[in-house]
Amino acid sequence: EDKVVQSPLSLVVHEGDTVTLNCSYEVTNFRSLLWYKQEKKAPTFLFMLTSSGIEKKSGRLSSILDKKELFSILNITATQTGDSAIYLCAVEARVETSGSRLTFGEGTQLTVNP
Amino acid sequence: KAGVTQTPRYLIKTRGQQVTLSCSPISGHRSVSWYQQTPGQGLQFLFEYFSETQRNKGNFPGRFSGRQFSNSRSEMNVSTLELGDSALYLCASSFSPLLENNSPLHFGNGTRLTVT
Repeated sequence: EDKVVQSPLSLVVHEGDTVTLNCSYEVTNFRSLLWYKQEKKAPTFLFMLTSSGIEKKSGRLSSILDKKELFSILNITATQTGDSAIYLCAVEARVETSGSRLTFGEGTQLTVNP
Repeated sequence: KAGVTQTPRYLIKTRGQQVTLSCSPISGHRSVSWYQQTPGQGLQFLFEYFSETQRNKGNFPGRFSGRQFSNSRSEMNVSTLELGDSALYLCASSFSPLLENNSPLHFGNGTRLTVT
C-alpha cells in the first residue's frame, strides 16, 4: 500500500523565519511528487517534481526531491503571515493497467505569526 | 476563465440516505478526479474520470461511485451514508489524464458533507 508521511504535522514560526517541510514516501511505480498549499478550501498547486536533485523555485518557495532516499523537502524563506496554510505533499504512482493514482500525506499546518 | 465549481457547498444528510455531488471542471479540461478530506485521514483519492471513462479508483467501498458526462461535468454519488462519510469532498480537473504531460490539478472549493 502506498504511503506518504509528512513532518512536522504542525509548525508555528515568526515572520521572517525560514521553514523546511518534509515529505517521505513509499510507493510502487513512483512517477512524481507534488506539493500543494491549502488555505481555506481548494488546494493550489505549488510544484511537481520528477527528477532527483533538481531544485524547483518559485519566489520564496523551493523544493527538491531525493528519489534514492525517497523524500522531498519544501523550503519557505522569509516567511510571511500569508504563508499560513496547510501544505500537502502527494505522490503519483503509475497504475499497471492505465493511468495514475495519487496518495496524499496528512499535511503540515504552518502558522506564521507577525 | 472560471475555476472548478462544486455544488452544493454544504450538505447535511442522515445515515442511510444517499447523496449526489456535482463538479464542473475548468473549460477545456477533460479529466476530473475526486478526493475525500477528513482530519484523521487527510486527503484520499476516490476516482478519476477522463472522457467519460473511469480510469482509476482508490480504496473506497462500492457505495462511492461516480460518472462523467460528455461535457466533462462529473457527479459523485454516495449511497447508504455512514457517519464516517462526513468530510470535505474535493474535485479537481486537469487538461490531460491525471498528471500526464505535467498537467497540474486545479481543485474546487469542495462540498462539506455532514452525516448525522
